[in-house]
Amino acid sequence: AQSVAQPEDQVNVAEGNPLTVKCTYSVSGNPYLFWYVQYPNRGLQFLLKYITGDNLVKGSYGFEAEFNKSQTSFHLKKPSALVSDSALYFCAVRVPGGRRALTFGSGTRLQVQP
Amino acid sequence: GAVVSQHPSRVICKSGTSVKIECRSLDFQATTMFWYRQFPKKSLMLMATSNEGSKATYEQGVEKDKFLINHASLTLSTLTVTSAHPEDSSFYICSAKAERGTDTQYFGPGTRLTVL
Repeated sequence: AQSVAQPEDQVNVAEGNPLTVKCTYSVSGNPYLFWYVQYPNRGLQFLLKYITGDNLVKGSYGFEAEFNKSQTSFHLKKPSALVSDSALYFCAVRVPGGRRALTFGSGTRLQVQP
Repeated sequence: GAVVSQHPSRVICKSGTSVKIECRSLDFQATTMFWYRQFPKKSLMLMATSNEGSKATYEQGVEKDKFLINHASLTLSTLTVTSAHPEDSSFYICSAKAERGTDTQYFGPGTRLTVL
């Protein structure tokens, strides 16, 4: 079975500071990893994904994530946070060739203070 | 990027009635669509996988007769909540995956269902 853990319910960061939202995964085989963002009462917006290749993935809105196979992690990062980045962030995983649906983490609320 | 729409965005209904939610892929063909349910401050829980032209695959614990899913075309899937009860109140989100190209799922904006 595949699973995703987001150990922090909430992350608080000051505007202009770097941010990190943590994600670890557990799968059998090589994972496909995703980050999505959700604003209040909205659906999920795709940020970035790792399928293969370079471990550092760059995505939308200045976000990036690093795939670390030895630590089974895929942390989301941004060098300089904006107040508008405040939202709910979900990490997700699926295994190629397996079930097509994504397995989501529990979500991390990012609060960027002005 | 690819766009997925949902209709309605918000619905309030009386207990015992049925509600239909539509999920459309607007600019791509989606042979596979997924229906998720999200409780307040909780993650998304997969309800079912919908494949065009075939029966949906439901997750364990999801009642097939209560949550009817139809994937009639490559751009439309519907979820009907039958005989709705207050405990069915939730945020329902669909996603669509284009068969070709990337592995990315595109999500609809969600439908807020409130059953009185």
